[in-house]
Amino acid sequence: DAGVIQSPRHEVTEMGQEVTLRCKPISGHNSLFWYRQTMMRGLELLIYFNNNVPIDDSGMPEDRFSAKMPNASFSTLKIQPSEPRDSAVYFCASREGNTEAFFGQGTRLTVV
Amino acid sequence: RKEVEQDPGPFNVPEGATVAFNCTYSNSASQSFFWYRQDCRKEPKLLMSVYSSGNEDGRFTAQLNRASQYISLLIRDSKLSDSATYLCVVRSNSGYSTLTFGKGTMLLVSP
Repeated sequence: DAGVIQSPRHEVTEMGQEVTLRCKPISGHNSLFWYRQTMMRGLELLIYFNNNVPIDDSGMPEDRFSAKMPNASFSTLKIQPSEPRDSAVYFCASREGNTEAFFGQGTRLTVV
Repeated sequence: RKEVEQDPGPFNVPEGATVAFNCTYSNSASQSFFWYRQDCRKEPKLLMSVYSSGNEDGRFTAQLNRASQYISLLIRDSKLSDSATYLCVVRSNSGYSTLTFGKGTMLLVSP
């Protein structure tokens, strides 16, 4: 298995632009997580899907952030409009049941 | 109080040293505990789970103290390759369980 696949690996965008991050979880995994990591706050859970349904989105910072999981093999995290304070590494992770979570390599987002 | 707290370090130790990290958690209902390792500019990866009775994996020993709500990780005979950030992770069992990460403790092993 190729593991959790995220794209793009790096994104540099101007303030105000829309950013879409993509994630392909490991086949067969029924839970998907989006995390954001910064030096100041560490790894923060943004949203958690179980069987493609959003279960906990309390970590989504504000209305500028939205996430979808249209099927078991794909999820997106969208920021519209982006702001410099959104600059961070965004990780997607998946797991089966209550086993360990496997992380993608992350998307390093820079908003200038 | 933060849900999961760790000393950020860095811990600077020479090769061969023994080093220990602690982590405290605030939710007494937490059920499962893990240590993840994160290398610089890489994704976190599971190092080991932490069981109530304590567990060992080679040079690594993890222990759980439910009464005091802390978890520890002991690394013996440190190697240069152990240099990384170690993340303490707690899973609650309230409804659908999520993983809450500490900010991590950085370890630097020098020759």
